Amino acid sequence: QKEVEQDPGPLSVPEGAIVSLNCTYSNSAFQYFMWYRQYSRKGPELLMYTYSSGNKEDGRFTAQVDKSSKYISLFIRDSQPSDSATYLCAFFSGGYNKLIFGAGTRLAVHP
Amino acid sequence: EAQVTQNPRYLITVTGKKLTVTCSQNMNHEYMSWYRQDPGLGLRQIYYSMNVEVTDKGDVPEGYKVSRKEKRNFPLILESPSPNQTSLYFCASSLGRGRPDTQYFGPGTRLTVL
Repeated sequence: QKEVEQDPGPLSVPEGAIVSLNCTYSNSAFQYFMWYRQYSRKGPELLMYTYSSGNKEDGRFTAQVDKSSKYISLFIRDSQPSDSATYLCAFFSGGYNKLIFGAGTRLAVHP
Repeated sequence: EAQVTQNPRYLITVTGKKLTVTCSQNMNHEYMSWYRQDPGLGLRQIYYSMNVEVTDKGDVPEGYKVSRKEKRNFPLILESPSPNQTSLYFCASSLGRGRPDTQYFGPGTRLTVL
């Protein structure tokens, strides 16, 4: 079993749709739960992170962590063409002291 | 502006010809690392450095070398590149190893080894 599973997509949605991106993980020692956004021909940039179960909101973005199910989600409300990118989930534990990345989900938001 | 820079951005080379990819950061970060990104495999860490003259292997170090002689620079060296090292490479830096929330990535270097 892979440590992190992320559906690669691609996911294509119309502008204004609600997008749900998900990852599952197997290591219960993970402490940081993170989402990166990567535009074409650019490096990943940190979008959101959280330490605990529950929801965290930042504008149109909501990160959700369910530790009991080992499942994290990123919701994008009112999606815009500028949200078209690859979204990578990432996990960190003090024991590993390194980031473990998902393979990324490619999202296309069309006008 | 806080940034990580890499050069070159694109490189096509032939098997066995030594090359160096440079990485520099302007944030006085202690921790720097190199990743490769391959389709379906995500980002995998090649090497990391916790400070000047302190480097260690990541998950996929074979065929690579690094050095950290100055805090701001962390070059990646391929002594004898092979086609399986064709990939997209990213340099990253952060305040410390335990501070992934402060990590910045460079723009990437697309390497093709023929």
